[in-house]
Amino acid sequence: DGGITQSPKYLFRKEGQNVTLSCEQNLNHDAMYWYRQDPGQGLRLIYYSQIVNDFQKGDIAEGYSVSREKKESFPLTVTSAQKNPTAFYLCASSIALRWYGNTGELFFGEGSRLTVL
Amino acid sequence: SQQGEEDPQALSIQEGENATMNCSYKTSINNLQWYRQNSGRGLVHLILIRSNEREKHSGRLRVTLDTSKKSSSLLITASRAADTASYFCARGGVQGAQKLVFGQGTRLTINP
Repeated sequence: DGGITQSPKYLFRKEGQNVTLSCEQNLNHDAMYWYRQDPGQGLRLIYYSQIVNDFQKGDIAEGYSVSREKKESFPLTVTSAQKNPTAFYLCASSIALRWYGNTGELFFGEGSRLTVL
Repeated sequence: SQQGEEDPQALSIQEGENATMNCSYKTSINNLQWYRQNSGRGLVHLILIRSNEREKHSGRLRVTLDTSKKSSSLLITASRAADTASYFCARGGVQGAQKLVFGQGTRLTINP
């Protein structure tokens, strides 16, 4: 079945450690996104990528890094510079629409919950 | 804030009643989308309405968009216990960018 797979589902990190969250999609989508969700809150955009080897900062990119070496994969690294990393992280993908500024339907993974001990 | 407002933040109704959630925004958009999230899960797309459309239906869902008032509403008719979830609106094409900006969400509880 086509979809987005995030791993791990739960992750615990000690302060000062970097961790990498995996996101893989087999939907053949060009665009991929990482969002952060805090309890009772909406989603805030961390990074997004519209094409392989290219990505843009979202609203809260500080303390995070990404790579887009393959169309199917968009891993997110939460670095030790992120001061408050405990959150629920959601990866999504969409087709890259022809017209700039036209964002289509997003398909989401099931999320990764990161807790800093 | 680009995120705009959703109201109410929480809504509790009896099964069979209709549920209405509202979303307001501040900047021009290309489209507006509604998503549903069950507790601890990813989001699921419900419906997309383009900026040149005023109303859209999908099953028991009805979405309206008023670009002059910069607002949208999601109506769920004949609610069921399984509709219990958080519902988010998301604005597409904000400031010309190819990304979605999500609201804070409405937590809907359907009481049996």
